[in-house]
Amino acid sequence: DVQMTQSPSTLSASVGDRVTITCRASQSVSSWLAWYQQKPGKAPKLLIYKASTLESGVPSRFSGSGSGTEFTLTISSLQPDDFATYYCQQYHSYSYTFGQGTKLEIK
Amino acid sequence: QVQLVQSGAEVKKPGASVKVSCKASGPAFTTYYMHWVRQAPGQGPEWMGIINPRGDSASYAQKFQGRVTMTRDTSSSTVYMELSSLRSEDTAVYYCARNPEVGPTPRYYMDVWGKGTTVTVSS
Repeated sequence: DVQMTQSPSTLSASVGDRVTITCRASQSVSSWLAWYQQKPGKAPKLLIYKASTLESGVPSRFSGSGSGTEFTLTISSLQPDDFATYYCQQYHSYSYTFGQGTKLEIK
Repeated sequence: QVQLVQSGAEVKKPGASVKVSCKASGPAFTTYYMHWVRQAPGQGPEWMGIINPRGDSASYAQKFQGRVTMTRDTSSSTVYMELSSLRSEDTAVYYCARNPEVGPTPRYYMDVWGKGTTVTVSS
């Protein structure tokens, strides 16, 4: 299975900050990568697919980039609603593994 | 807009089986592949498997092969996930989720999720 490693595990930031989360794959997944946001007690929410395509309805302050084995999720100006845990998921190959998550906390 | 409504929380003893349901409301349910994903407490999500639109083919993560069965009732727009030989490590929230890509060779990710079903395995 492809292993997905996110960094950092926890990120402390303030409203208005620009933040970047990194996701690395143990082998190339081309551009077949998605990002999800999850709040406590809720299901994950799709933010980005195919590494950089914004899901409909997701604010434009979210953006994704990368290909191969290294990917980033950037939030250009943090809003109060953005404090949550973020997961990457590769869908290049079975069995569609997720990262361990990055918790974005209020500084 | 598609909504996925899952069955209620379950408490099971080790060795038992659990069957979780997920009913879809909204158009074109029979067009979409459906996933099951679980999330143990404090952990990231874990993909379990996927069932095709007609319900006649399912693929499972190797970890669950032999213990999981996914089925689908197109007449009621419901998918099911049954996990057998439960152990304490199966304690988790189980989600159904829709695969947004359709057609003969879709890519597998998830755009609409159910609210989750908590399964607790305890003696």
